Amino acid sequence: NAGVTQTPKFRILKIGQSMTLQCTQDMNHNYMYWYRQDPGMGLKLIYYSVGAGITDKGEVPNGYNVSRSTTEDFPLRLELAAPSQTSVYFCASSYSPQPQHFGDGTRLSIL
Amino acid sequence: QQPVQSPQAVILREGEDAVINCSSSKALYSVHWYRQKHGEAPVFLMILLKGGEQKGHDKISASFNEKKQQSSLYLTASQLSYSGTYFCGTETTDKLIFGTGTRLQVFP
Repeated sequence: NAGVTQTPKFRILKIGQSMTLQCTQDMNHNYMYWYRQDPGMGLKLIYYSVGAGITDKGEVPNGYNVSRSTTEDFPLRLELAAPSQTSVYFCASSYSPQPQHFGDGTRLSIL
Repeated sequence: QQPVQSPQAVILREGEDAVINCSSSKALYSVHWYRQKHGEAPVFLMILLKGGEQKGHDKISASFNEKKQQSSLYLTASQLSYSGTYFCGTETTDKLIFGTGTRLQVFP
């Protein structure tokens, strides 16, 4: 089983550029999440989704957008990248409102 | 709103025990525990759904005191593989907020 797959694994962006972090899961989970983790810190919830067509903000949504057109996919969009968005981004999914399956993460640097 | 964990860091010798605490200022529906090794994704350990519930997984167990809005993770006879950062997660509505983390290092 693939589980939760995130792409890309690494990316360097210039300030002001935009990009989409991809996340797909093959477990038919309704709940999906995006977290960011700054060095030496815990995970902060950016956005989450309880099913296709439904998304909601987490703790730190500013500067990000999401969509959930299918059960499998939950892409995270960064508009006008800023140095403060340098972080490791984790996507997660679950049958219940608690993330239990995480992807390997996307390491993003903005210079 | 972020749950606070204590201690921030623990250093153990193989075979020693440790307790990690997680406290929230808000009423909790459940508590979740994760372990994250350096450079890797968090791994789900266990969920506690009821006040007073205790669960165990190998030599790692946890308790949940709903009234005190606290949970504790107990690591017994620690192994080298237990090294990593432990996070609690507290659910208040339909989203999970992660705690501040406790870094655990186990040496031979």
